[in-house]
Amino acid sequence: EVQLLESGGDLKQPGGSLRLSCAASGFTFSTSAMSWVRQAPGKGLEWVSTINVSGRKTYYADSVRGRFSITRDNSKTTVFLHLDSLSVDDTAIYYCTKGGGSLGFDSWGQGTLVTVSS
Amino acid sequence: SYALAQPPSVSVAPGKTATITCEGDDLGGLSVHWYQQRPGQAPLLVLYDDSSRPSGIPERFSGSNSGNTATLTISRVEVGDEADYYCQVWDSELDHPNVFGSGTTITV
Repeated sequence: EVQLLESGGDLKQPGGSLRLSCAASGFTFSTSAMSWVRQAPGKGLEWVSTINVSGRKTYYADSVRGRFSITRDNSKTTVFLHLDSLSVDDTAIYYCTKGGGSLGFDSWGQGTLVTVSS
Repeated sequence: SYALAQPPSVSVAPGKTATITCEGDDLGGLSVHWYQQRPGQAPLLVLYDDSSRPSGIPERFSGSNSGNTATLTISRVEVGDEADYYCQVWDSELDHPNVFGSGTTITV
C-alpha cells in the first residue's frame, strides 16, 4: 500500500522559511516522479512543483519559482519542499503526491498545513 | 499560461447521470486526469489518461476527451459521489507542465 506522510507544516511570519518533508513507502520510490500540490483555505488545487526520478529535473509553478525548491533523497525515500520568502498567499495545505507526469497524481498524502501570518 | 475551465457546480438527483466538462485550448491533444475530493479529505485520482480508471474506482466513472473539451461522466450517481472534482493535464512542452482546472462541486 502506498503511503505518503508529510511533515513540517507550521505557522510562520511573512518572509520566513520552512522545509516540508514527505516520507514515502509501499512503492519503488526511485522510479517515481514526485510532486507537491497545495490548496489554500476554501480554494481549489494548485500544482506547486515536480521532481523527476533522479532529482536532476525540477519544475515549478510561476507563483513559487525562485522561492521554493524541491529535492529528493532516494536512499531515504523522502521528498522535500524548501519554502523561502514566504507570503500570506502561501498559506495552504501542502499535499505530497506520487507522480506528476503523464499518468497524473496517483497517490496523495493527507497534507500538512502551512500558515503564514504576522 | 495554459488554463482549464470547469463549471463551478453541477446538481444531480440520485440515480441519474452527472456530466462535468473541462475546457482548454486543444485539450484533445493532451492526457486529462480527474480527481475527486470529498470534504475534509485529500484528493483521489478517479480517471487518468482521459478515460482509464485506477484500481478500485467504479465503472460508473467514465471519461472522454476531444477537441477543446474533456468530460467526466458519473452514471447512477450516489450520495457518496458528492464532492469537488478537478481536471488536470500534464504537458511536457509547458514551462510549468501540470495544470489543474478550477474545480466543480457536485451536489446530489
